[in-house]
Amino acid sequence: GQGVEQPDNLMSVEGTFARVNCTYSTSGFNGLSWYQQREGHAPVFLSYVVLDGLKDSGHFSTFLSRSNGYSYLLLTELQIKDSASYLCAVRDDSGSWQLIFGSGTQLTVMP
Amino acid sequence: EAGVTQSPRYAVLQEGQAVSFWCDPISGHDTLYWYQQPRDQGPQLLVYFRDEAVIDNSQLPSDRFSAVRPKGTNSTLKIQSAKQGDTATYLCASSLDGGMPETLYFGSGTRLTVL
Repeated sequence: GQGVEQPDNLMSVEGTFARVNCTYSTSGFNGLSWYQQREGHAPVFLSYVVLDGLKDSGHFSTFLSRSNGYSYLLLTELQIKDSASYLCAVRDDSGSWQLIFGSGTQLTVMP
Repeated sequence: EAGVTQSPRYAVLQEGQAVSFWCDPISGHDTLYWYQQPRDQGPQLLVYFRDEAVIDNSQLPSDRFSAVRPKGTNSTLKIQSAKQGDTATYLCASSLDGGMPETLYFGSGTRLTVL
């Protein structure tokens, strides 16, 4: 069936990096987005990818492999304020073209 | 530019009570989404509109939930008879169809607790 899967939790250390993984299985594919959601706040758009490979956007980079149904969000030079939930969302290209969200990965950045 | 506005911010109900949530999208955005986000889960689509037309409401529990966007701008989501399982944050989002990438702009949400 359709789904977007993410690990529940991830911990890393300030000044290092964190890689947030996402796997998906959907009816067709029309792009994958990453959103950041802080506790008690709305999701905020970070990145969108539709082609394979690594998209470097500085603090946030995104990798996509469509053949493997896999993406990751890479955060470098972590700061404490990067602690948040990171949501992966895939848009299928069948039916209503809805955006299917994963359950999010809670990243905790430790001093 | 004003963002997506939602009200109320919080709602606490007894089972069986009704509640309405209101959303004002970003001006000019033709697409409006309502998502339900239970605690520690990702947003789950309930319904979305393009202008005033419902594009997908297949995930909306039609026996108790309804949503309208009569003029293609503001929208209201209503729960007729709330259940404890409806406890969640209700997020409204808007976007511009054809925008690349299509970015959803979310409101702050309404946090609903059904006792």
